[in-house]
Amino acid sequence: DTEVTQTPKHLVMGMTNKKSLKCEQHMGHRAMYWYKQKAKKPPELMFVYSYEKLSINESVPSRFSPECPNSSLLNLHLHALQPEDSALYLCASSPRERGQETQYFGPGTRLLVL
Amino acid sequence: QKEVEQNSGPLSVPEGAIASLNCTYSDRGSQSFFWYRQYSGKSPELIMFIYSNGDKEDGRFTAQLNKASQYVSLLIRDSQPSDSATYLCAVPINTGGFKTIFGAGTRLFVKA
Repeated sequence: DTEVTQTPKHLVMGMTNKKSLKCEQHMGHRAMYWYKQKAKKPPELMFVYSYEKLSINESVPSRFSPECPNSSLLNLHLHALQPEDSALYLCASSPRERGQETQYFGPGTRLLVL
Repeated sequence: QKEVEQNSGPLSVPEGAIASLNCTYSDRGSQSFFWYRQYSGKSPELIMFIYSNGDKEDGRFTAQLNKASQYVSLLIRDSQPSDSATYLCAVPINTGGFKTIFGAGTRLFVKA
């Protein structure tokens, strides 16, 4: 299994809603990442988990809350988002977080905040 | 200077031609370099990675690395319309721990 899966594929939410994005991999990778990508821009790193511990938080607003329940799962909890948070949210994984490894991306969740 | 720079294009080549995509990076400590292809509305897909100076070939794709010049390129031979996509150069940059930085991406159009 060489796949990173993400659910849901699409999400529309209001600014007062609470929702969660989910990511799963079964490749035995010990590092998992959340990226945000706006249209016609490159992916921007949000969070890195290494061995289930948060190792990088790129000064992301607290309305985004990551969680890594175990080595295969990564969640991103969303609360009180703004319309400018509408973007493609990408999850990625790599064997372990040494910072210079290949990252494998999931298909992404396209989020629209109304 | 941006940490990872690419010409945003668009780069337009005829079918069957060689497409040449270029990337420069700022951190001399970077040791690995990645090329991802991204179709519109889809997620990035790994095409090539390279660690050593010189060329690395995989099918129609060749990655070239010159660490002295801090330059990495991707050549696509016999370009096909299905190669039309945005190509992202990704380089781990040391910011007190390595963080992968993506270039802005080069949009490639292959004309049939």
